[in-house]
This record gives sequence, C-alpha cells and structure tokens, in this order.
Amino acid sequence: EPEVTQTPSHQVTQMGQEVILRCVPISNHLYFYWYRQILGQKVEFLVSFYNNEISEKSEIFDDQFSVERPDGSNFTLKIRSTKLEDSAMYFCASSADRGEYNEQFFGPGTRLTVL
Amino acid sequence: AQSVAQPEDQVNVAEGNPLTVKCTYSVSGNPYLFWYVQYPNRGLQFLLKYITGDNLVKGSYGFEAEFNKSQTSFHLKKPSALVSDSALYFCAVRDAKAGNMLTFGGGTRLMVKP
Repeated sequence: EPEVTQTPSHQVTQMGQEVILRCVPISNHLYFYWYRQILGQKVEFLVSFYNNEISEKSEIFDDQFSVERPDGSNFTLKIRSTKLEDSAMYFCASSADRGEYNEQFFGPGTRLTVL
Repeated sequence: AQSVAQPEDQVNVAEGNPLTVKCTYSVSGNPYLFWYVQYPNRGLQFLLKYITGDNLVKGSYGFEAEFNKSQTSFHLKKPSALVSDSALYFCAVRDAKAGNMLTFGGGTRLMVKP
C-alpha cells in the first residue's frame, strides 16, 4: 500500500538554525500539507500546497516558514531561524484531490527538537 | 471557524466489549468528518469519513461512526473491542466551504484490557 514517508524521523537543532524537513507524498497525489503537533497539544494545520503554490496557510505559517516541491517527488518544509517553540512533531500529508471525497494520508512525522 | 471537541482524554474498555469514542464538532457550513488512529511511532492512519448520505459510516478494522447533525456529533464505535485497538484516536472536521484544512480534536487514548 502506498505511504507518505518523512525524513528524518528526529531532528535536533540549535535555536536560530535553519532546518529542512522532507516528505515524499504518495506518487499520484496532487495536494500536499504540513501539520504540526506540539507535545500535549492538538494537531494543527500549517499549510497546503497545490500546483506549485500555497493554496491555504494558517496564522502559524509566518515568514519563517516556507514550502517547496523541488522535484517530482519531494515536498519540503523549511524553517529559516528556529525558535524553541518550534519544537513539535511535524506531519506531512497528501491527498489525491481537493474534492469532497478525498482523505488526507499522513506520514509518520518528524520530531523536531530546538535547543 | 471550525472546531472539534473530544471530551475524553482516555477511554478504558475490556476486550470483547463495545467501545465508543466521542466527538463533537462546529462548522459554519456542511461538515466533512474524519477519524484517524495513531499507533506509537506511526503517522495518522485514516479510519473512516462522513461526507454525505447514510449517517452510519463503516471503516477499517471493524470501526463505524454515526453522524448526528442535530447533536453535531460523530462518535466512533466498535461492537467488540480488541487489545490491538489500543491507540490514540483523532476526530477531524473540514468545512465543505472553507478549504482543505483539517481541524483536529485533542485525541482520545483508547485502552483495551484483556
């Protein structure tokens, strides 16, 4: 069964450093998403991406964040200058279509720890 | 704005007994409702969804959920729990008119004891 994959599984970084989280969505999917879950809190939407541009973003997704689909398979989330409060589990997801019958398929997550 | 509430942090049930995990939602338009399950060190796995039609939807692993519009609820149910059902369960909603983002509840940990 096709799966969304994410690398690395755990990333430790120093405050102020840039990090790139990588995702490989399911191959025939067209919509891509990033969500995050701070420890003990809800899963929160960050951004959705379609046709090489952002289609929606939340208030969390400020100028420190960016997303890119650098090639036909990868989807990345970049945090330019990490803060302590960016420590969270980051989930990538993809869906086949924006239509009403889609469901989003999630990867296993990358745990980001900012020291 | 859309929101989801899962009032129970944890549900305990004995193996073989029926289980219910509660979820209520709030959206301004028509709701698309989803249940996901998370096992340790795994991503969120899709279980089932309600889009339209029959209020009782069936999903993976014998789970089902009932959409109740008047009570704005979408409780997850299973007639006979298994120990292997023990996991973290998330309810999510998407407003049909408000884009593709999912709004999640806080999650309910299901513990099934032998």
